[in-house]
Amino acid sequence: QQQVKQSPQSLIVQKGGISIINCAYENTAFDYFPWYQQFPGKGPALLIAIRPDVSEKKEGRFTISFNKSAKQFSLHIMDSQPGDSATYFCAASITGTYKYIFGTGTRLKVLA
Amino acid sequence: DTAVSQTPKYLVTQMGNDKSIKCEQNLGHDTMYWYKQDSKKFLKIMFSYNNKELIINETVPNRFSPKSPDKAHLNLHINSLELGDSAVYFCASSLLRDTGELFFGEGSRLTVL
Repeated sequence: QQQVKQSPQSLIVQKGGISIINCAYENTAFDYFPWYQQFPGKGPALLIAIRPDVSEKKEGRFTISFNKSAKQFSLHIMDSQPGDSATYFCAASITGTYKYIFGTGTRLKVLA
Repeated sequence: DTAVSQTPKYLVTQMGNDKSIKCEQNLGHDTMYWYKQDSKKFLKIMFSYNNKELIINETVPNRFSPKSPDKAHLNLHINSLELGDSAVYFCASSLLRDTGELFFGEGSRLTVL
């Protein structure tokens, strides 16, 4: 119940293409779903996040799609750029608690 | 000003030694964490402190002992280091009553030979 399943493990996309990473969760108490981006040698940093009261959130080229009934959410990177090459982690948490569960990560490589 | 800073960035040591990693945050957050990231990039929580009190201890061996002298600092001491302890250790902080966004440090890469 505490797991967040993330796929794919790795992804190679051509410059300008769309990158899609998927996550699924079990615990319906989760109410905050962030995506973190990690570059080599750096700590993860918040990229974009969503709450279950909306089905989509867009910030620039990054969009989260959220399907509450299916308990799934995904990250879409439009017009992917080589600078987007990084490891992406989805996560789920319960506001006001310390319960923060990370997915297993997706290594994205965008080819120039 | 670095929000979450940890030192040292790199540690290379022999099996059986003891080492410490220090972490400081200047964000005014009330909760701090230690995460371990292994070679496959899995991020696993080890400890969490809220206002200097331990609130998470995720079945980490007793050789790992966190210490929080105040809300802004969380240190990690590791005794009798083993090969399997080699990893990148990340300190993070958050404000519990807020969204809970985690702010990570840059990590401390520990290599045990």
